[in-house]
Amino acid sequence: QQQVKQSPQSLIVQKGGIPIINCAYENTAFDYFPWYQQFPGKGPALLIAIRPDVSEKKEGRFTISFNKSAKQFSLHIMDSQPGDSATYFCAASIQGAQKLVFGQGTRLTINP
Amino acid sequence: NAGVTQTPKFQVLKTGQSMTLQCAQDMNHEYMSWYRQDPGMGLRLIHYSVGAGITDQGEVPNGYNVSRSTTEDFPLRLLSAAPSQTSVYFCASSSSGTSAYNEQFFGPGTRLTVL
Repeated sequence: QQQVKQSPQSLIVQKGGIPIINCAYENTAFDYFPWYQQFPGKGPALLIAIRPDVSEKKEGRFTISFNKSAKQFSLHIMDSQPGDSATYFCAASIQGAQKLVFGQGTRLTINP
Repeated sequence: NAGVTQTPKFQVLKTGQSMTLQCAQDMNHEYMSWYRQDPGMGLRLIHYSVGAGITDQGEVPNGYNVSRSTTEDFPLRLLSAAPSQTSVYFCASSSSGTSAYNEQFFGPGTRLTVL
């Protein structure tokens, strides 16, 4: 049973476009929602994270939007660049950053 | 700091063989964990440890053993490898510190194939 559902599986966007990746969760006890970025052959690296007391968090070109009532959150990448091409994972956890439950992942390609 | 290191990078096993995947961190982190990554399934937690001498099961623990004798090391043991354990394995660590929401740092991974 997938507790965190992520879509789409893959996404192709032109440079400068705004890719959006969506995640939905079931467990209302989740209180930490990070996004991880993974390049081929590397381990995931934390990109940005949000807690449910805010509806949006922005760090540089990356923004998380959070809708607590709908139990959904999404990642937006502004002014996307070919270097942003990677696999992105959303995740969730209860009471801290440990024991993460991951979504299925989205392979993002930014075409020049 | 080297961060989180994992060895080996690649491994091929035959069904029934045993092996240990090594993980070490030099950040004095209390929390360490093992995940496996499979296509279309994201990363799934196998085992985790909140400190030396303390381990617990994650979502997919069957077929794997762990121990934590030191803060730095958290090896993952496959007792009798099966083809279903073919995967990429990641070790991660984080500090409990003053905030429970500290970043988890992932190692570079071990790609395991079981024939």
